[in-house]
Amino acid sequence: GAVVSQHPSRVICKSGTSVKIECRSLDFQATTMFWYRQFPKQSLMLMATSNEGSKATYEQGVEKDKFLINHASLTLSTLTVTSAHPEDSSFYICSARAATVNTEAFFGQGTRLTVV
Amino acid sequence: AQKITQTQPGMFVQEKEAVTLDCTYDTSDPSYGLFWYKQPSSGEMIFLIYQGSYDQQNATEGRYSLNFQKARKSANLVISASQLGDSAMYFCAMREGINQGGKLIFGQGTELSVKP
Repeated sequence: GAVVSQHPSRVICKSGTSVKIECRSLDFQATTMFWYRQFPKQSLMLMATSNEGSKATYEQGVEKDKFLINHASLTLSTLTVTSAHPEDSSFYICSARAATVNTEAFFGQGTRLTVV
Repeated sequence: AQKITQTQPGMFVQEKEAVTLDCTYDTSDPSYGLFWYKQPSSGEMIFLIYQGSYDQQNATEGRYSLNFQKARKSANLVISASQLGDSAMYFCAMREGINQGGKLIFGQGTELSVKP
């Protein structure tokens, strides 16, 4: 299957700083990428849909100025958590959609963010 | 309203036995896809099986089969011959028609524990 690489897998940052998470599709072009957030023992909650070359579409309740999404190329989308606070500590995971594959969604390995 | 519902927060099964994980969904879109993912403690999302709304037969992938009851809007996952390595969180997800952008909506998840 297609490979999606997400980095870093773990990051610890100080409160008030910004953290960038990268999501790359390694062997296919991803016109659309999705960013999810997951708290322990809970479901994956969609944060935003990222389309190459256009502004991301954020789900209700997600602050677009806090969670900056950039999808500058067909293989890379980034999520930047700005001015991070302890309540932003969570598991963030991206998913990429391949135009020719409708029967599977490809996920990155996820990023565990801890804000101290 | 919840679009994907998994009513079993936790399930136990004896090794080598079969187990059914429940999933019901709600959509008015005639075109949709249903997915099951396994998430071990590492956090990665492992694709298990897919069922399209127009598929006539229940999907099967090795030890995994999907019991698709369209009229009841249910898509239960059946794992046969459970193994210790099957212990993980299991998520049911739905992708609605093409106009929804391809995002997956996840259920709450079921934590499966396989007993030796």
